[in-house]
Amino acid sequence: NAGVTQTPKFRILKIGQSMTLQCTQDMNHNYMYWYRQDPGMGLKLIYYSVGAGITDKGEVPNGYNVSRSTTEDFPLRLELAAPSQTSVYFCASTSLRLAGGYEQYFGPGTRLTVT
Amino acid sequence: AQSVTQLGSHVSVSEGALVLLRCNYSSSVPPYLFWYVQYPNQGLQLLLKYTTGATLVKGINGFEAEFKKSETSFHLTKPSAHMSDAAEYFCAVDYGGSQGNLIFGKGTKLSVKP
Repeated sequence: NAGVTQTPKFRILKIGQSMTLQCTQDMNHNYMYWYRQDPGMGLKLIYYSVGAGITDKGEVPNGYNVSRSTTEDFPLRLELAAPSQTSVYFCASTSLRLAGGYEQYFGPGTRLTVT
Repeated sequence: AQSVTQLGSHVSVSEGALVLLRCNYSSSVPPYLFWYVQYPNQGLQLLLKYTTGATLVKGINGFEAEFKKSETSFHLTKPSAHMSDAAEYFCAVDYGGSQGNLIFGKGTKLSVKP
């Protein structure tokens, strides 16, 4: 049972380049999330998905796009990389929400530098 | 807007000393509360959570936290710090909204001195 996996672990991009951060979970979780972590700022929600085919914006969605064609995968796309997108990106998932209080499971993160 | 406040971005304790990391949330309605730990260059790992029931919650690695509704707090404690506890700790709150995401505090980096 791998849990939540993310690729790549590290990436350096030039300004204006694009890339996709991959996220896969094998726990059959409906809910998936993308967060970014900046030093001293905690984690901020970029996008989330409540199931295949359903996505919505979080707190900081500008410059990113997502898709959810399967339950397992939730890729994050950066179209025109900017230095402000230098960050550590975490994917997380949780099970069907009947109420709150469900633990989120996190991937190991992708460290992205844009220069 | 709902928020989570962690007092102290950096806490330093001696090995064997009490660890106290503070967390306050902003809602008058009791949310669901979590503490996560992040070791260097790793993802976040759940330490403990409060959903309902007993207000003193025990987690992994000897940590515990107490939910105090009157103080809107969920402070994390450990009676005796170990070198391996050095990490960053995040308090997170689930206010029960439809999107189900967590609101995170800014984190507290714990250093443990020998």
